[in-house]
Amino acid sequence: GAGVSQSPRYKVAKRGQDVALRCDPISGHVSLFWYQQALGQGPEFLTYFQNEAQLDKSGLPSDRFFAERPEGSVSTLKIQRTQQEDSAVYLCASSLDRGANTGELFFGEGSRLTVL
Amino acid sequence: AQSVSQHNHHVILSEAASLELGCNYSYGGTVNLFWYVQYPGQHLQLLLKYFSGDPLVKGIKGFEAEFIKSKFSFNLRKPSVQWSDTAEYFCAVNAYGGSQGNLIFGKGTKLSVKP
Repeated sequence: GAGVSQSPRYKVAKRGQDVALRCDPISGHVSLFWYQQALGQGPEFLTYFQNEAQLDKSGLPSDRFFAERPEGSVSTLKIQRTQQEDSAVYLCASSLDRGANTGELFFGEGSRLTVL
Repeated sequence: AQSVSQHNHHVILSEAASLELGCNYSYGGTVNLFWYVQYPGQHLQLLLKYFSGDPLVKGIKGFEAEFIKSKFSFNLRKPSVQWSDTAEYFCAVNAYGGSQGNLIFGKGTKLSVKP
């Protein structure tokens, strides 16, 4: 597609529910990133894939967060047993290059998660 | 730990005023530096980047930024702002040799330009 596509754009979950957020990167992009952006804050790194390999997951805040990119294209961020502090905008970005330090990241519009 | 500081949370200017947004980072090694912009209702997009060479970098829409290594700064400037520059601006750093995926963002500066 023309850009990075994320779905759903908005998700309201009750505390304790599991949620899955999807990211369709730009076709052919090698690298895929997930960021979490809380209200009034800048994006914070969660995890990074190079093709299907998850090379860095150091930013995932707890073992309730899990991300996958099984075929090196679409990625899913799953949050189990959601908590109120998980409320944020989850941003996906992709890059043609390997990693964030070699080129431009193309961001999606984000998935806004609200946990009640 | 590496961090990025943006000095101003919200800047309000009139059209044609000059703009300078501050950005400082904490990392002693080689860095790649970025400014991203988010216009209202849109996604984050790259404004400009610095990898090496001339420390004065020119980006889109008349923006420029200057890397001053001794001050660990990468301030964003524009001589004359327009109403359409109203947006949130994020400075970001990737530490060379660090995680390839870890782009560290500042908290952002919201710019409001009055027509």
